[in-house]
Amino acid sequence: SQTIHQWPATLVQPVGSPLSLECTVEGTSNPNLYWYRQAAGRGLQLLFYSVGIGQISSEVPQNLSASRPQDRQFILSSKKLLLSDSGFYLCAWSKHTGNYGYTFGSGTRLTVV
Amino acid sequence: QKEVEQNSGPLSVPEGAIASLNCTYSDRVSQSFFWYRQYSGKSPELIMSIYSNGDKEDGRFTAQLNKASQYVSLLIRDSQPSDSATYLCAVRTRFGAGTRLTVKP
Repeated sequence: SQTIHQWPATLVQPVGSPLSLECTVEGTSNPNLYWYRQAAGRGLQLLFYSVGIGQISSEVPQNLSASRPQDRQFILSSKKLLLSDSGFYLCAWSKHTGNYGYTFGSGTRLTVV
Repeated sequence: QKEVEQNSGPLSVPEGAIASLNCTYSDRVSQSFFWYRQYSGKSPELIMSIYSNGDKEDGRFTAQLNKASQYVSLLIRDSQPSDSATYLCAVRTRFGAGTRLTVKP
């Protein structure tokens, strides 16, 4: 069966510090991968998605970036965090072909102070 | 106009009642529609997907799709306190803000 791992679960970082969140998927190959952010009491905002190694599409141009160095690994990064980067970050995967829903990781709750 | 709109609620129903959750969307060419359940502090979980007009039933859940009206709904029959959560409507990659449902014993 497929599983998705996301870490860390919680993170408190000062403004201006770097960020690296990692997500890995097991039990499938060539998944579509996604990073979403959910602000408190709000819906999910798509940040990045990837349909293959090295292929990243950005939905929100800001100080975040994403990389996919391996087929089942997706990394979200920032060089300098802003207060507005606080939120619940969710990694998700879906099958590569067809219109399927997502399986989400357990999420990272980021607080920028 | 938001791409996916939901009533934010909160929606409160008594145990055993039918809970009705609604969603409208703006993208006319969308072909895939989803409902997710999100418990407080947790990540969303896919509970229903629907791709064609009409109803799709899965246990106590029924999803309804009307592409002409750009409308998706989720019915939860025999609501239980464990159904208390926020329900997110998604159209392809776009999510609504969610409707918070409380089922009172």
